[in-house]
Amino acid sequence: KAGVTQTPRYLIKTRGQQVTLSCSPISGHRSVSWYQQTPGQGLQFLFEYFSETQRNKGNFPGRFSGRQFSNSRSEMNVSTLELGDSALYLCASSLVSAGGFSGNTIYFGEGSWLTVV
Amino acid sequence: DQQVKQNSPSLSVQEGRISILNCDYTNSMFDYFLWYKKYPAEGPTFLISISSIKDKNEDGRFTVFLNKSAKHLSLHIVPSQPGDSAVYFCAASDSQGAQKLVFGQGTRLTINP
Repeated sequence: KAGVTQTPRYLIKTRGQQVTLSCSPISGHRSVSWYQQTPGQGLQFLFEYFSETQRNKGNFPGRFSGRQFSNSRSEMNVSTLELGDSALYLCASSLVSAGGFSGNTIYFGEGSWLTVV
Repeated sequence: DQQVKQNSPSLSVQEGRISILNCDYTNSMFDYFLWYKKYPAEGPTFLISISSIKDKNEDGRFTVFLNKSAKHLSLHIVPSQPGDSAVYFCAASDSQGAQKLVFGQGTRLTINP
């Protein structure tokens, strides 16, 4: 069974540009969430999508956005890139059970390394 | 305001001995806790989880203990192996934002031969 797949794995962008990262969840998983990892702030939650709707949002500026498609695949976009956006962006998926949203194991992809120069 | 804290940035343990990684949390609404292992340049790998209705969960060499009154959980690895050397993250969620994990800062575990 394939895991969470993220593309691209590595990319370099210039300040002011925008970037789109892609994520394919584990087959059957309908919840997709995104996290940012930086040395200073650690792992921080960006947002979560379920059935094409954003269910939760972290404390990030509006330059960070995302969406989910009907096949559960997700993309996140960062506009007007800043040097501080350089980070590992992680996508995660979970199988929301019939019991509801709580207590579900969340599986992570390998991440997309973004460097802003 | 760090709601999940791992106060030990690093831990060194001899191969074959027990590794104990600790995690404290402040939000009493957290009801599900997970441990992840992470190598550099890779995504976190799920290890083990525990619901707040339990105080212990075991999976092979890994056992997680939860003390709700102290808002403390720990991960025990027995016996420790060289391949266990990695950064370990504790994470927590609550029923309202269930897919939103709040992570600790991580503990770097080194297993010495």
